[in-house]
Amino acid sequence: QVHLVQSGAEVRKPGASVKVSCRVSGSTLSELSMHWVRQAPGKGLEWMGGFDPENGEIIYAQKFQDRVTMSEDTSTDTAYMYLSSLRSEDTGIYYCATVFRIAVAGTGFDDWGQGTLVTVSS
Amino acid sequence: SYELTQPPSVSVSPGQTASITCSGDKLGDKYVCWYQQKPGQSPVVVIFHDNKRPSGIPERFFGSNSGNTATLTISGTQVMDEADYYCQACDSSTGEFGGGTKLTVL
Repeated sequence: QVHLVQSGAEVRKPGASVKVSCRVSGSTLSELSMHWVRQAPGKGLEWMGGFDPENGEIIYAQKFQDRVTMSEDTSTDTAYMYLSSLRSEDTGIYYCATVFRIAVAGTGFDDWGQGTLVTVSS
Repeated sequence: SYELTQPPSVSVSPGQTASITCSGDKLGDKYVCWYQQKPGQSPVVVIFHDNKRPSGIPERFFGSNSGNTATLTISGTQVMDEADYYCQACDSSTGEFGGGTKLTVL
């Protein structure tokens, strides 16, 4: 059973950056494709990016490509999502979500973190 | 990016059948997943591979996908099924979601 634990809530001013972590237990990061999903207050789910096992790289949604960096530390089984140049519209809950790399296509995101609230306000 | 369209809301009476659609260009050529999200909780996958249920998901949840439309059907809808539901084209490396549908059971 994969368990994902995310870092705590953050408050940032516009123009600042934030780094959210997601620690994996019950498996290892190298066995998983890690993805990040954002949810603005009262809004829907928005895929930000994630690991593509077909080419072994992290790919980003075009909307976030210029401001987001996702990384992984396999020594601690912890993934990170770094978002820069924050603006008020970036306020929301950020989720990490995983699927096993060996899973066949169409499996979806099996496991989700509890979410991290990021508030951007002056 | 690939766009998926869902109705904003669907209402159903308890015990009746609820149908939530998700449309996209040639969606039937892709795998579709469905997620349930209740207030204050993380999403949970209820359907993957168009029509498969993860263990623990009740048999009343059924998925189909053909042409340009995928459908999540909940038969004998219960009050506990009231939630937001999101479709996702889940066979690609990307993971775009539909806009979500609020299911009201009353």
